[in-house]
Amino acid sequence: QKEVEQDPGPLSVPEGAIVSLNCTYSNSAFQYFMWYRQYSRKGPELLMYTYSSGNKEDGRFTAQVDKSSKYISLFIRDSQPSDSATYLCAMRPYSGNTPLVFGKGTRLSVIA
Amino acid sequence: AAGVIQSPRHLIKEKRETATLKCYPISRHDTVYWYQQGPGQDPQFLISFYEKMQSDKGSIPDRFSAQQFSDYHSELNMSSLELGDSALYFCASSSPTGELFFGEGSRLTVL
Repeated sequence: QKEVEQDPGPLSVPEGAIVSLNCTYSNSAFQYFMWYRQYSRKGPELLMYTYSSGNKEDGRFTAQVDKSSKYISLFIRDSQPSDSATYLCAMRPYSGNTPLVFGKGTRLSVIA
Repeated sequence: AAGVIQSPRHLIKEKRETATLKCYPISRHDTVYWYQQGPGQDPQFLISFYEKMQSDKGSIPDRFSAQQFSDYHSELNMSSLELGDSALYFCASSSPTGELFFGEGSRLTVL
């Protein structure tokens, strides 16, 4: 079993829909969580960074962390065709210089 | 502000050849990471450097080596290339608060 599980999709939604992306993890040592967006053949782009349970909002994006359930989510409101990309969750035990462990990524298509 | 810079963006090599990838981290970022991403795969951690010393080692083949120089740029050296080494290679650097920022990647094709 991978340390980080993420449904690869693909996920297809109509424009304007609310998108919910999720990851579960097994290592209780993970304390820092990130969501990346990756367009085809491009580098991962950091969307959200959080380290405490609860919600963090940035524009149309909300990151949610539930450490007791080892479950994190990314919500995208008013989804746009430009949101079509692969979304990767990533996490690490602490904020120092440890590498990130990634989920497999969820491929999202927002249809106009 | 400038992001993580990687070069070259694309390179094509033949089996058993050698390749070198370069990474220039964001200014004042003290840790550099190298990741390999195969088609449809998540990034796999190869190796990292903190203050020019190797910090962590992941699934990096013995044929690969890396180092970080005094100006904090890093190079990934790959020898005896195999077909399976064809992938996107990403470099990332981390801020003092722990966020990792990735470069646009170097696409290696081994023929």
